[in-house]
Amino acid sequence: SAVISQKPSRDICQRGTSLTIQCQVDSQVTMMFWYRQQPGQSLTLIATANQGSEATYESGFVIDKFPISRPNLTFSTLTVSNMSPEDSSIYLCSLIGLAGGLVDTQYFGPGTRLTVL
Amino acid sequence: ILNVEQSPQSLHVQEGDSTNFTCSFPSSNFYALHWYRWETAKSPEALFVMTLNGDEKKKGRISATLNTKEGYSYLYIKGSQPEDSATYLCAFPPSSASKIIFGSGTRLSIRP
Repeated sequence: SAVISQKPSRDICQRGTSLTIQCQVDSQVTMMFWYRQQPGQSLTLIATANQGSEATYESGFVIDKFPISRPNLTFSTLTVSNMSPEDSSIYLCSLIGLAGGLVDTQYFGPGTRLTVL
Repeated sequence: ILNVEQSPQSLHVQEGDSTNFTCSFPSSNFYALHWYRWETAKSPEALFVMTLNGDEKKKGRISATLNTKEGYSYLYIKGSQPEDSATYLCAFPPSSASKIIFGSGTRLSIRP
């Protein structure tokens, strides 16, 4: 399985500021995914980060709020812009790897725990 | 909208006891079901990928069963240990080309 690292692991931010989360993978992958888990909620997909093209956002998420960069096949960033307390979540990057069979398994980074005051 | 439901939301179990919890998913057009374990401050870790009705998978003291006709999967933990404390997530990709839909998880705490 791939090794995925994220920075920062946690942060406490003030309302109205922005935070950029970095995700580094030890192998080249075509698609990387950004998820968040708000307190008591499911893991929710924010967007798919494609190398060389714009990210694909899920319903309810927009590029102005969550700009994503994907400069190469091993790295991506997610920015949480103009933060409010509702953005307090765990943010995870993810990729899909082959599990040795027909069905892919999703691998996750350790997450970034964000608290917005 | 496809829903994946997990119950209970949280569970407190005495060390040494066995426990189980449930994941419910849409039974039509089944493709696969994933179970993950998510320990605090760590990455979610894939436990099982289940694809066939009647599948039973086992990893140490943890096992899972799958019923695609009625749309549920059970996760069992035998002889719970403190290191089993984690949130257990199930995830349902409706097809190979679809995004994975996660349940909200069952938070398991083992009392020593």
